[in-house]
Amino acid sequence: NAGVTQTPKFRVLKTGQSMTLLCAQDMNHEYMYWYRQDPGMGLRLIHYSVGEGTTAKGEVPDGYNVSRLKKQNFLLGLESAAPSQTSVYFCASRRGQVKEAFFGQGTRLTVV
Amino acid sequence: AQKVTQAQTEISVVEKEDVTLDCVYETRDTTYYLFWYKQPPSGELVFLIRRNSFDEQNEISGRYSWNFQKSTSSFNFTITASQVVDSAVYFCALIDDYKLSFGAGTTVTVRA
Repeated sequence: NAGVTQTPKFRVLKTGQSMTLLCAQDMNHEYMYWYRQDPGMGLRLIHYSVGEGTTAKGEVPDGYNVSRLKKQNFLLGLESAAPSQTSVYFCASRRGQVKEAFFGQGTRLTVV
Repeated sequence: AQKVTQAQTEISVVEKEDVTLDCVYETRDTTYYLFWYKQPPSGELVFLIRRNSFDEQNEISGRYSWNFQKSTSSFNFTITASQVVDSAVYFCALIDDYKLSFGAGTTVTVRA
């Protein structure tokens, strides 16, 4: 039982490049989330999903797209990376409305 | 509008002192859930406690205790007799309309 796994753990991108971050959970959770963590700003919600095939915008969605084609996977895409997207990205999943979220290990992304 | 406010950015204490972390939240829902998470220097996010809006009982778990007061929309966290291992960033979070929103976090440094 791996929990929530994020791939990759580290990445350096050049401005304008694209990439996809993968989040996989093996707990059959309905809800999944993508956050970015920047110094002094806590965890800010980028996009989230309440079930397979559904996505919704969070607090800071601009510049990102997501897809949830399978219940266990939640993909975060950057179409044209910008230095402002340098951050640590966390994925989380949760079972039901009342349950706590479980987090992945984080992905440290640097855009140069 | 920020839904979870952690006004204390950083707290530094000497070992064995007590530490109280403030959390004030905002929601229009009558049913909601509050959480505290810990992020040690290693970077992972660790769930500490969950509380629903109908349960205002205080809770104690070892050296940790939580004080939930609906009247003031606060969910404060106290570490009693702090230890160096308590050094971490602590986040308060709220589930509101499926979204899991975090405060900016409070960095706690416990000096030996």
